[in-house]
Amino acid sequence: EVQLVQSGAEVKKPGESLKISCKGSGYSFTSYWIGWVRQMPGKGLEWMGIIYPGDSDTRYSPSFQGQVTISADKSISTAYLQWSSLKASDTAMYYCARLGRLSLDYWGQGTLVTVSS
Amino acid sequence: EIVLTQSPATLSLSPGERATLSCRASQSVSSYLAWYQQKPGQAPRLLIYDASNRATGIPARFSGSGSGTDFTLTISSLEPEDFAVYYCQQRSNWPPEVTFGPGTKVDIK
Repeated sequence: EVQLVQSGAEVKKPGESLKISCKGSGYSFTSYWIGWVRQMPGKGLEWMGIIYPGDSDTRYSPSFQGQVTISADKSISTAYLQWSSLKASDTAMYYCARLGRLSLDYWGQGTLVTVSS
Repeated sequence: EIVLTQSPATLSLSPGERATLSCRASQSVSSYLAWYQQKPGQAPRLLIYDASNRATGIPARFSGSGSGTDFTLTISSLEPEDFAVYYCQQRSNWPPEVTFGPGTKVDIK
């Protein structure tokens, strides 16, 4: 069974750093792109970027380039999304999802990030 | 950059009624369009891929159609569990960029 399991909710202060994770199982982790999606409170889905764990090829949406870093450790089948300095506007739910042929066929359960002083 | 537009923003219907949701792309995406359902407090779920193919486990009351720039998601007879937000999505082949539509909320009339 394909599963993506994300790390738990985080509460951080502005300016702090954060790295959240997404662990894949039940399939060849190195053979599929993994994407990250932001959903701000009460809003729609926003594409952040994507990584191919096989070779760590990473692409960012222009809106998120320079704002976050996407990485992966294929030895433990885990992708990451990290911030070096959080802002209140980073408060959102973050989802990882596997990119199948042309669609996001499996999703993590989401990680809620709250940034507040 | 391809922009997806969904209409209506909100659709108010009763259980048993037919729901017709629209997604329009700013340029042709061929048949490379997917639909997702999201319920409150849950991750999105893939319903339809390649415009008209149901994902595994998706009931037959959900159907997708269209190609090029105009696509439709139809729910033939709404069940109580179908009241949710629906997003369309397209993906460019290379580089692998994804775009979502703004969503259509189907709520109970």
